[in-house]
Amino acid sequence: DTAVSQTPKYLVTQMGNDKSIKCEQNLGHDTMYWYKQDSKKFLKIMFSYNNKELIINETVPNRFSPKSPDKAHLNLHINSLELGDSAVYFCASSQEPGIMGPQHFGDGTRLSIL
Amino acid sequence: RKEVEQDPGPFNVPEGATVAFNCTYSNSASQSFFWYRQDCRKEPKLLMSVYSSGNEDGRFTAQLNRASQYISLLIRDSKLSDSATYLCVVNPYNFNKFYFGSGTKLNVKP
Repeated sequence: DTAVSQTPKYLVTQMGNDKSIKCEQNLGHDTMYWYKQDSKKFLKIMFSYNNKELIINETVPNRFSPKSPDKAHLNLHINSLELGDSAVYFCASSQEPGIMGPQHFGDGTRLSIL
Repeated sequence: RKEVEQDPGPFNVPEGATVAFNCTYSNSASQSFFWYRQDCRKEPKLLMSVYSSGNEDGRFTAQLNRASQYISLLIRDSKLSDSATYLCVVNPYNFNKFYFGSGTKLNVKP
């Protein structure tokens, strides 16, 4: 059973397009995250949601809009894609706030902008 | 100053060697600490949590030094399969925010 699953695994598209990445977790966690890992392998948090509510937004351009229809899902929509958006995007989840446990990651979505 | 800093390496060691990585963090109020392992083109996976008293899991030992604000990971009897990037993760006062180091690459050679 996959704990955190994201789709698609690979995404190749042209500059200016709009695309979405989906994430689902079946761990019963209340908190979900989106991270971006760039070519230098630095993993940086973008957003964090707790029970469908946005709690962290790390100076991410407005072109990136997360949506959480329920606590098991956190999708990422990106408008007007730019070359600099090329990276691997990881979704993750962890237990509710106050329980400082580890995170579980999805396989990643490799986004390439042509 | 970055929240979490690690030596990027790479550390090239022979099989059977003992190797240690350090990671420094800037926020003295940090609450919890972890080591993750990331294989090439894969997602990060939890290796171990780091407890105040230090903890051991087989060949891996993690330690926390709050006074100097660093955590360490010691790997004994290195195996080829230990080759990966090791990420230090710190959770500061904000429970929902995790800071990742840029990772230390380990190459274990036959």
